[in-house]
Amino acid sequence: DGGITQSPKYLFRKEGQNVTLSCEQNLNHDAMYWYRQDPGQGLRLIYYSQIVNDFQKGDIAEGYSVSREKKESFPLTVTSAQKNPTAFYLCATSRGVQPQHFGDGTRLSIL
Amino acid sequence: AQTVTQSQPEMSVQEAETVTLSCTYDTSESDYYLFWYKQPPSRQMILVIRQEAYKQQNATENRFSVNFQKAAKSFSLKISDSQLGDAAMYFCAYRSTALRPTGTASKLTFGTGTRLQVTL
Repeated sequence: DGGITQSPKYLFRKEGQNVTLSCEQNLNHDAMYWYRQDPGQGLRLIYYSQIVNDFQKGDIAEGYSVSREKKESFPLTVTSAQKNPTAFYLCATSRGVQPQHFGDGTRLSIL
Repeated sequence: AQTVTQSQPEMSVQEAETVTLSCTYDTSESDYYLFWYKQPPSRQMILVIRQEAYKQQNATENRFSVNFQKAAKSFSLKISDSQLGDAAMYFCAYRSTALRPTGTASKLTFGTGTRLQVTL
């Protein structure tokens, strides 16, 4: 089946630790995105990528990093510089002018 | 920068009745897309309906329809014959034109959502 796979579903981070959230897609979509969702708020864009080896900051990129070495993969690293990482993280993809498709999300919590 | 406002944090509707969720947005662009996404308790984001700004005709998808008022920058969602499975968070989203001169990646700006309860 074609789709977007985010893993893990739940993730815990210790103080000072970097953690990486995985996003893999087999939809052959060019563009990939990372969003953050906090309670009572909509989604906010962290980073996006249009093609391999290219990515750009969104609205809330501080404390996060990404890479796009393969078309299918767009991992997000939450660094220790992100002081409030507890949130629900959603990966999305799109092709052309079609709407974005979303993965099932990863919930990140602080230990 | 674009903003999207959903002024109804919670709404309730009885099964089989009709409910309308409100959304307003602010933009200086003339060409854009608007979306309604549904987020059930599973947290998956599901596209409900979309509207192209250049189309005057309101979009419809089965029991879901929109009232798009471009001059007023209003984009409400009407759910007819509500069902228990419609209970979810509903997000209105605005899609900008392409983020960069080349390529097609585009940013979605979301409202804060409306939680819809469906009662028997």
